[in-house]
Amino acid sequence: DQQVKQNSPSLSVQEGRISILNCDYTNSMFDYFLWYKKYPAEGPTFLISISSIKDKNEDGRFTVFLNKSAKHLSLHIVPSQPGDSAVYFCAASAGGEGGSEKLVFGKGTKLTVNP
Amino acid sequence: DSGVTQTPKHLITATGQRVTLRCSPRSGDLSVYWYQQSLDQGLQFLIQYYNGEERAKGNILERFSAQQFPDLHSELNLSSLELGDSALYFCASSVGISREPQHFGDGTRLSIL
Repeated sequence: DQQVKQNSPSLSVQEGRISILNCDYTNSMFDYFLWYKKYPAEGPTFLISISSIKDKNEDGRFTVFLNKSAKHLSLHIVPSQPGDSAVYFCAASAGGEGGSEKLVFGKGTKLTVNP
Repeated sequence: DSGVTQTPKHLITATGQRVTLRCSPRSGDLSVYWYQQSLDQGLQFLIQYYNGEERAKGNILERFSAQQFPDLHSELNLSSLELGDSALYFCASSVGISREPQHFGDGTRLSIL
């Protein structure tokens, strides 16, 4: 049972345009969400997070939007740069008993930004 | 560079063998997490330690075990290895157990022949 879904395996955008990556979740207990970027042969790198008490969080070119009623979040990258080409993972946690922060990951979306 | 160090980077072994993967967390981080990434499953949580104590368990096989030592480094032990254990194993760390990002190492690629 996949609790975090990234339905688009790949996305291609032009340099300078907006990249929008989407993520859906099914577990209503999730209350903390993160986006990671991964280059080949490296570990995931944290990008941005959002708590369920917010509906938007911004950090430079990256903005994450959370729609709790739709159980949907998205990552916007504006403007997109060729160096943004990577696999992007959405992750969520439910703050388990005692505060464990086990992350549940989507399967990733490969973003390609064309010069 | 995340500050999380995993060794070795690559490990090739045979079925039935036992291996140990090592992780040094970022300086100051007390929590260590282990994840497995296989081709068809994506990143799956295995186990978490906080300041030496097991905190949470995911879908970790009984053949797998882990521990966190007083100096906070962690080891993941995989025994009676099977072909299906071939995967990337990631370690991550965070300062505590509240709402904060986990920072990942570059992983150990385990190949079972």
